[in-house]
Amino acid sequence: GENVEQHPSTLSVQEGDSAVIKCTYSDSASNYFPWYKQELGKRPQLIIDIRSNVGEKKDQRIAVTLNKTAKHFSLHITETQPEDSAVYFCAAREGDTGRRALTFGSGTRLQVQP
Amino acid sequence: ETGVTQTPRHLVMGMTNKKSLKCEQHLGHNAMYWYKQSAKKPLELMFVYNFKEQTENNSVPSRFSPECPNSSHLFLHLHTLQPEDSALYLCASSQGTNGGEKLFFGSGTQLSVL
Repeated sequence: GENVEQHPSTLSVQEGDSAVIKCTYSDSASNYFPWYKQELGKRPQLIIDIRSNVGEKKDQRIAVTLNKTAKHFSLHITETQPEDSAVYFCAAREGDTGRRALTFGSGTRLQVQP
Repeated sequence: ETGVTQTPRHLVMGMTNKKSLKCEQHLGHNAMYWYKQSAKKPLELMFVYNFKEQTENNSVPSRFSPECPNSSHLFLHLHTLQPEDSALYLCASSQGTNGGEKLFFGSGTQLSVL
């Protein structure tokens, strides 16, 4: 089955700096890669996703890149703000012949220092 | 409010108790999920229901028993749990059933097993 590794487990940046979170996956047939943000005491919410037919997707200050050859994808947050502080989870969905539900990474706790 | 409601928000139970967690989605979605979230671990998929039929059981111990009477309601029946079962249990739903869609999470039930 799919295995998703996420690094780092914690990340502290100064307000205005960029933050990068990286994930690797094991199943080369995986084709959908979402990122979820979970603020303290709240539910996870989707912030951006990417499918295997594109290499990069951007939405304002956040972007995701995908390298299918290396089987890794990354979340990039620019001009970080204190409200970006949260736990971020990456996930991957196996291809059509595999398990269809998402496999999540272990999470990255991002702290943006004002 | 994302349209997925879970009750109770908090639950404390002894190892010999029987309790149930409830999830209801008001989004007209066709798939519902139970996830377990433990400290410093990935979100772990437990069960998937598509059109109220169970399609995945991720090797979950039989002391956890799901029930999905219709596409809008999902229950998790608990009996003879162990202290290591203490965690946040999250319900989620999605419009589609192939795993490649946005998940809408509930607020979770924080379970403590004494």
